[in-house]
Amino acid sequence: SQQGEEDPQALSIQEGENATMNCSYKTSINNLQWYRQNSGRGLVHLILIRSNEREKHSGRLRVTLDTSKKSSSLLITASRAADTASYFCATAHNTDKLIFGTGTRLQVFP
Amino acid sequence: DSGVTQTPKHLITATGQRVTLRCSPRSGDLSVYWYQQSLDQGLQFLIQYYNGEERAKGNILERFSAQQFPDLHSELNLSSLELGDSALYFCASSVDPDRVGEQFFGPGTRLTVL
Repeated sequence: SQQGEEDPQALSIQEGENATMNCSYKTSINNLQWYRQNSGRGLVHLILIRSNEREKHSGRLRVTLDTSKKSSSLLITASRAADTASYFCATAHNTDKLIFGTGTRLQVFP
Repeated sequence: DSGVTQTPKHLITATGQRVTLRCSPRSGDLSVYWYQQSLDQGLQFLIQYYNGEERAKGNILERFSAQQFPDLHSELNLSSLELGDSALYFCASSVDPDRVGEQFFGPGTRLTVL
């Protein structure tokens, strides 16, 4: 399957700690995106990193992409209880496919 | 708020019935995507419409159909419903015809088939 796979499946941390989630994929990509989903709600786009980029920042988010290893990581620094959500990577293949992974459930305890 | 609206929020119906889910994309977006999210299948792409025409098809069952109207709103029709069709159904929209850019998701419709 071309689907991205997130690791870990679930992550529990204390407020203030950093959270790191990883995504691996199998075939070449156009770009990779990260989305957040609060329980039972719609997905919210966080960040897009193109295949020719290696790192991107947005506020407390830092995304890296290693196309040689076919992997990406999402780092959330100084986490807050409000960051509790599921995080999905989505890999864009060619011009006609955006495939979502199975997600990482992040729980941030106050 | 993404600007994408979906109605209804919740739908409870019986097996064998037919339902229609409605989606209005963000102002200016020509692409509409439908996704199904269930616990066992994750987020599955169903179908995409761009400016009124079907653009891409995913794992959409033959019992399901969709269309996009001239005002760009879209409807997803689910018929002969089965218990396994219970899921969250999301609509998303984007400006581009290609399914590789940022997508804006609606709040979803939770379908329960009893």
